[in-house]
Amino acid sequence: ETGVTQTPRHLVMGMTNKKSLKCEQHLGHNAMYWYKQSAKKPLELMFVYSLEERVENNSVPSRFSPECPNSSHLFLHLHTLQPEDSALYLCASSQVGGTGPLHFGNGTRLTVT
Amino acid sequence: GENVEQHPSTLSVQEGDSAVIKCTYSDSASNYFPWYKQELGKGPQLIIDIRSNVGEKKDQRIAVTLNKTAKHFSLHITETQPEDSAVYFCAASQAGTALIFGKGTTLSVSS
Repeated sequence: ETGVTQTPRHLVMGMTNKKSLKCEQHLGHNAMYWYKQSAKKPLELMFVYSLEERVENNSVPSRFSPECPNSSHLFLHLHTLQPEDSALYLCASSQVGGTGPLHFGNGTRLTVT
Repeated sequence: GENVEQHPSTLSVQEGDSAVIKCTYSDSASNYFPWYKQELGKGPQLIIDIRSNVGEKKDQRIAVTLNKTAKHFSLHITETQPEDSAVYFCAASQAGTALIFGKGTTLSVSS
């Protein structure tokens, strides 16, 4: 059982909808991440939050909006998405400072119709 | 920035054989190299990692080797079993930076 929980597991939304993905970690970590996983591509880092502050935004379109209200919770707000945004969205957490392993959730499979 | 290349993209072996997956990285400052296994419907799970002050690390049937001079590292799985079938990702990072992942290797172990 992973210490990082993502909901929902599956989401189908139209291009005009607004939805949110939720991530919660129970590992006492203080850094959280959103990754996008598409077929035939490497895991793409989207956002990094360290001590609840956004420290990295890898040129992600503004239709993706992250929110980190505390060190245990991370959201990804979605609006006016495109079909090419369909992918598996993975949340991960780690300890800040130095290098160390990421702990991933099982992801949200997003389909944009 | 860091770039990680991973080969092969697919690998098929017979049960009991060994499997080797190789990665190269571009940034000589990288000092942390984890390997992740992703099974269908799940997120990637850490299986082994190595830091730059070590050349080799082993955990039961899994081993990782690191060649800092050549900037490459490899995952070795011995005595493969059907449950080893999954997608494997290598990654690299340095202190204070996020992990950069390879494209993944789909390993199929047939019995």
